[in-house]
Amino acid sequence: QVQLQESGPGLVKPSETLSLTCTVSGGSISNYYWSWIRQSPGKGLEWIGYIYYSGSTDYNPSLKSRVTISVDTSKNQFSLKLSSVTAADTAVYYCANVGIGAGGTEWFDPWGQGTLVTV
Amino acid sequence: DIQMTQSPSSLSASVGDRVTITCRASQSIGTYLNWYQQKPGKAPDLLIYSASTLQSAVPSRFSGSGSGTDFTLTISSLQPEDYATYYCQQSYRSPLTFGGGTKVEIK
Repeated sequence: QVQLQESGPGLVKPSETLSLTCTVSGGSISNYYWSWIRQSPGKGLEWIGYIYYSGSTDYNPSLKSRVTISVDTSKNQFSLKLSSVTAADTAVYYCANVGIGAGGTEWFDPWGQGTLVTV
Repeated sequence: DIQMTQSPSSLSASVGDRVTITCRASQSIGTYLNWYQQKPGKAPDLLIYSASTLQSAVPSRFSGSGSGTDFTLTISSLQPEDYATYYCQQSYRSPLTFGGGTKVEIK
């Protein structure tokens, strides 16, 4: 059973860059899509973006100018960088595996436990 | 962006009750609709994908239906462990978006 674990600083100063890493265990990061999602009281659940193991990405346009998601297959990890953060970026950040069904439907499963980042 | 609207935002129900949660999309999304359950302090768990397919190990009292713009999640007989917040999510078009959630509370 694949498990995901987020890691990174819990406190980031305004205007700096938020950096998180998701470590995948119990399976290979290869041949799958991986995503970052955040949850704040004010905006609920918000999809940030995803990356394929090969490195191709798709980002939420609302964050695209500030987001970079990268993958390191040798470490079975993928990462999130969010630049120029403000208090509005305070949230619990989750990483998740993206499941893809027939016809291209996409879902998130499993999720990491989440990590609170305060700006 | 496709907006997902859930109703109600909260409800109170008793153990054994039949519970129905509605999710409406701002445009037709076929059956590109998933449901999640989230308990306090935990990450969401996938319940149903593609509108009606039960994820492995999810109890059969959960069911999903709908297509186009209107979808429902039904819990046929509410159990104590079902008290949680439920979210819908569309994957028809990027950006992927979630509903605002429905909190199911004990009556």
